[in-house]
Amino acid sequence: EDQVTQSPEALRLQEGESSSLNCSYTVSGLRGLFWYRQDPGKGPEFLFTLYSAGEEKEKERLKATLTKKESFLHITAPKPEDSATYLCAVPLGSGGFKTIFGAGTRLFVKA
Amino acid sequence: DSGVTQTPKHLITATGQRVTLRCSPRSGDLSVYWYQQSLDQGLQFLIQYYNGEERAKGNILERFSAQQFPDLHSELNLSSLELGDSALYFCASSVQGGATDTQYFGPGTRLTVL
Repeated sequence: EDQVTQSPEALRLQEGESSSLNCSYTVSGLRGLFWYRQDPGKGPEFLFTLYSAGEEKEKERLKATLTKKESFLHITAPKPEDSATYLCAVPLGSGGFKTIFGAGTRLFVKA
Repeated sequence: DSGVTQTPKHLITATGQRVTLRCSPRSGDLSVYWYQQSLDQGLQFLIQYYNGEERAKGNILERFSAQQFPDLHSELNLSSLELGDSALYFCASSVQGGATDTQYFGPGTRLTVL
């Protein structure tokens, strides 16, 4: 069964304390993997698309990496404004037109 | 601001009623997606349209229907509403609706069924 699992469910960090969020997937024929950030009550905001194992992308304090079984979102020296829920997603189905999202990791960064 | 607009922002209605949620995609985007997000289910894909045609269907209930109009805006109709339909409903749009197209999400419509 196609699945996307994120861990941990919640993560509490001190400002400046680097860490990683995990997204593991069991999908045949991965076409790509997306990372989104979602603030409470708002729509998800696109961060990255990764297409193949070994690929890495960076944006400010965030770096996303992809292997054949999982993706990591590394957060370096986080700030309180990085507090949000981080979602990963993969396209599924014939043509990849359906998108399945993980349950997300809620990140809290304390000053 | 993603450029995707959704109306209304909030909707409060009673069980058994019918509501319509509206979405306008970003300028130039041909594909529209609808998602439901509830506390216990996370973000669930409902349906995708491309240039007016249905392209993919997810876990969309038979009481729900959607369409994309010639001007590319989309509407999601929810009927015979139940308490469990209370959720945030998001619309997203992308340029071509391909598997790896970036989806840009709107601000959502919060539906409360009493």
